[in-house]
Amino acid sequence: AQSVTQLGSHVSVSEGALVLLRCNYSSSVPPYLFWYVQYPNQGLQLLLKYTTGATLVKGINGFEAEFKKSETSFHLTKPSAHMSDAAEYFCAVSPYTNAGKSTFGDGTTLTVKP
Amino acid sequence: DAGVTQSPTHLIKTRGQQVTLRCSPISGHKSVSWYQQVLGQGPQFIFQYYEKEERGRGNFPDRFSARQFPNYSSELNVNALLLGDSALYLCASSLPLAGGNEKLFFGSGTQLSVL
Repeated sequence: AQSVTQLGSHVSVSEGALVLLRCNYSSSVPPYLFWYVQYPNQGLQLLLKYTTGATLVKGINGFEAEFKKSETSFHLTKPSAHMSDAAEYFCAVSPYTNAGKSTFGDGTTLTVKP
Repeated sequence: DAGVTQSPTHLIKTRGQQVTLRCSPISGHKSVSWYQQVLGQGPQFIFQYYEKEERGRGNFPDRFSARQFPNYSSELNVNALLLGDSALYLCASSLPLAGGNEKLFFGSGTQLSVL
C-alpha cells in the first residue's frame, strides 16, 4: 500500500522568496516519486521525478526535490519564486516501474505575492 | 505531436444516467490510466489499461468500467450516476520504459457535473 501526505494545503510566498512544499510518503516497495503542477482548468504537468540513483532531482522551471529515505520525504524547493509559479502542486508515489498507478496527495496551492 | 486529448471537455448529467468519457493517448503510447479528481483533492486512480488489457483497478464501485481499443484509445463508462461522481476525470498515457524512465502525460480532463 502507498500513501502521500502533503503538509500545508496552502503556501504563500513573496516573489523572489524560497519556495518549500512538503511531501511525505509511505510505500511498502521501493517507490517512484513525482511532483506535478496543475494550472486552472488544465491537466497535470510533470515537474520532476525520482526513480533510483541521485537523491537530489532537478526538474523544469528551476524546481528541485530531494529524496530522503530515512525521513520518507520528498520536499519540493525553488530558490526564487516567480509570479508564474502560482498553481497547485501535487506529490505522487507509484509502485516501482509503473507510474500509471500513482497515488497522489491532496495538493498544495502556492500563492506568490508581488 | 498532439498531446493526450479527452472528450468532451464538459458534461452535465442527472442522477441515474450513464456517461462515457473518451481519451486518445499520445501517438505510440500503449498505456492509459484514468483518474478522478474531486474538487479540493488530488487525483484518485481508477483504472489502468496496457495493450488492451486491464492492468489495475482502484477502489471504485462496479458502476465504473473502462476499455481500451486496438488503436490504444480508451473509454471510461460510469453507470447509475450519483451526485458524488461530480469531478474532473483525467486520462494519462505513457510509454512504459525500462530503467525507470516512464513518464505520465495528462490530458486536460473532462469536467463532469451530476445534478
